[in-house]
Amino acid sequence: DVVMTQSPLSLPVTLGQPASISCRSSQSLVHSDGNTYLNWFQQRPGQSPRRLIYKVSNRDSGVPDRFSGSGSGTDFTLTISRVEAEDVGVYYCMQGTHWLFTFGPGTKVDIK
Amino acid sequence: EVQLLESGGGLVQPGGSLRLSCAASGFMFSSFAMSWVRQAPGKGLEWVSTLRCCGGSTYYSDSVKGRFTISRDDSKNTVYLQMHGLRAEDTALYYCGKDYGDNWGQGTMVTVSS
Repeated sequence: DVVMTQSPLSLPVTLGQPASISCRSSQSLVHSDGNTYLNWFQQRPGQSPRRLIYKVSNRDSGVPDRFSGSGSGTDFTLTISRVEAEDVGVYYCMQGTHWLFTFGPGTKVDIK
Repeated sequence: EVQLLESGGGLVQPGGSLRLSCAASGFMFSSFAMSWVRQAPGKGLEWVSTLRCCGGSTYYSDSVKGRFTISRDDSKNTVYLQMHGLRAEDTALYYCGKDYGDNWGQGTMVTVSS
């Protein structure tokens, strides 16, 4: 199985400041069809997961543009340009290239 | 608006069975894969199973293979997860997802305990 790692696992942030989460995979996430199926999910406290980013850098509908994704191959980053209070929660990267799809361990974002 | 409503969770003894259901609306159900993921209390997300559309393949995590079966009824816009041989480690909140995770339901809790 593809192992997904994230860093940091805990991220205290200051409102209005940027924040970045790193995600690495144990093997390349480039699919044979040429796409890279790396997604980012947000899970607010007590809520279901919500997909923010798909295929590395595409924002889902309704996702604020302060969220952006980047990366390639095995190294990926989720960036929040200016953290807002509603961004508190756990963020997971997830690979959908190789079955079994796998999630990272999650990064807990809270406000300093 | 996509809506996914899971049901069927509950308390079951080790070795028991449950069938989870997920009723979908707001999209062309028959055209999409459907998936289940789970989240043990206080833990992260684990992908459990996916069933592709249109007579396509099924996929299972090693931890549930041979015990869980995913199926769908396109006439009812519903996907199911039949679970047999339940273990304490299957205790989790089970989420139903459209396609490969672009929308998720609110989840249904499965507790395996004597």
